[in-house]
Amino acid sequence: DTGVSQDPRHKITKRGQNVTFRCDPISEHNRLYWYRQTLGQGPEFLTYFQNEAQLEKSRLLSDRFSAERPKGSFSTLEIQRTEQGDSAMYLCASSPSLRTGNYEQYFGPGTRLTVT
Amino acid sequence: GIQVEQSPPDLILQEGAISTLRCNFSDSVNNLQWFHQNPWGQLINLFYIPSGTKQNGRLSATTVATERYSLLYISSSQTTDSGVYFCAVLPNTNAGKSTFGDGTTLTVKP
Repeated sequence: DTGVSQDPRHKITKRGQNVTFRCDPISEHNRLYWYRQTLGQGPEFLTYFQNEAQLEKSRLLSDRFSAERPKGSFSTLEIQRTEQGDSAMYLCASSPSLRTGNYEQYFGPGTRLTVT
Repeated sequence: GIQVEQSPPDLILQEGAISTLRCNFSDSVNNLQWFHQNPWGQLINLFYIPSGTKQNGRLSATTVATERYSLLYISSSQTTDSGVYFCAVLPNTNAGKSTFGDGTTLTVKP
C-alpha cells in the first residue's frame, strides 16, 4: 500500500487558466475527500465521494470548481478560470469501507497551487 | 455546522516538558482525529479517537465525547515535535464532512 498520492505537487498558473489535479486514494478505500488549506488555517472541506457518487459539496466549491471520480478509484479536481484567491494547498484524503464503521482519513501530500 | 476550537493557538516549551493541546467541539461526533502537519504540508495521522484513551510512545490522547473535548499529550517534548497539530471531527449528523480546527503551533526549544 503506497498511501494517497496527488499529482502535480506544485502548479503555477496565470489568472484565467484552467487547472486539473489528480488524486489516487489508497486501494479499496471507497471514500475520497477534497480539502483546501490556506496559510495559517486548518483544511476546509470541499467535497467527498463514496465510490463514484459525489455525496456532498461545500458552498466553498463555486461553479468554477468541479470534481469527478468516474470509476470509483482516482479523482480529479478541476478549477476553471482561476483567480488569485484560488491560491492554496489542495489536499486529498481517503478512508476505508463504511462496512467497518472506520472513518479514519489518510491524506496525500497535497498540490500547492499558485495563481499569478 | 459543527464548530471546532483548538487551544492554545501557540505553545512554546522547553525540551523535556509535557505538551497539552486541547480540542473543543460543539456537537456530537462519530470520528475525531489528531494530525501533525509537517513543514512540507503533509498531514500525519497521530490518533483516530472518537472516544476513550490511546497511547503511542510519548504521545497519548483522550476524548470525552459526552463533554465534547479531546486532549493530546506529548510527554518529554523534543525539538522534532515542533509543528502544527490539528484535530478534525466528523459529526454524527453528517458522516462525510470533516471539520478541522485552526491548529496549535507547537515550538519546542532546546
